[in-house]
Amino acid sequence: DVKVTQSSRYLVKRTGEKVFLECVQDMDHENMFWYRQDPGLGLRLIYFSYDVKMKEKGDIPEGYSVSREKKERFSLILESASTNQTSMYLCASDLSGTVFFGPGTRLTVT
Amino acid sequence: AQSVTQLDSQVPVFEEAPVELRCNYSSSVSVYLFWYVQYPNQGLQLLLKYLSGSTLVKGINGFEAEFNKSQTSFHLRKPSVHISDTAEYFCAVSDPGTYKYIFGTGTRLKVLA
Repeated sequence: DVKVTQSSRYLVKRTGEKVFLECVQDMDHENMFWYRQDPGLGLRLIYFSYDVKMKEKGDIPEGYSVSREKKERFSLILESASTNQTSMYLCASDLSGTVFFGPGTRLTVT
Repeated sequence: AQSVTQLDSQVPVFEEAPVELRCNYSSSVSVYLFWYVQYPNQGLQLLLKYLSGSTLVKGINGFEAEFNKSQTSFHLRKPSVHISDTAEYFCAVSDPGTYKYIFGTGTRLKVLA
């Protein structure tokens, strides 16, 4: 089975902190994604990466950056966390037209 | 650009009754279509997918969906629901050969005893 893991299930950070969300997949997938999930808005794409060191902005990249130094790992960075970034963050990887999701990180910024 | 519409934000249904969750997408020459389920405080799990071939797709947990190109719909059905089916369901679409998946806003299915 494909496994996508995220470093934290729950995270509480203060406004202005730099936040790292880590994601690892174990199936050698080329494509990886970061989504944000908010009630009534569904899933919105923040960034995706189609190869090591390659990335493209999604629909809501403002306030976020990403890093992909190794194929299996895709990190989402909040340079200076703000309260409007309180949300559920879902990492995913893609194989043959199917997306596999991690369990999610529920981030609260106070 | 592709878009996905899930008109029903919540669907209550009694246990053992049938259910249909609706999904419509914007027109395209060809699409891949998906349904995902999300249980509380978990990530999304793939229920079923349509990539090509038969328009009736069977998935896990007794769910099925039918691809209707003329109506640009991909409705999810189950003939008899269980309490354990209570979850949020997301429809998604992608254009073949692209990296972008567009998700609907989700439908909360609540199965009542």
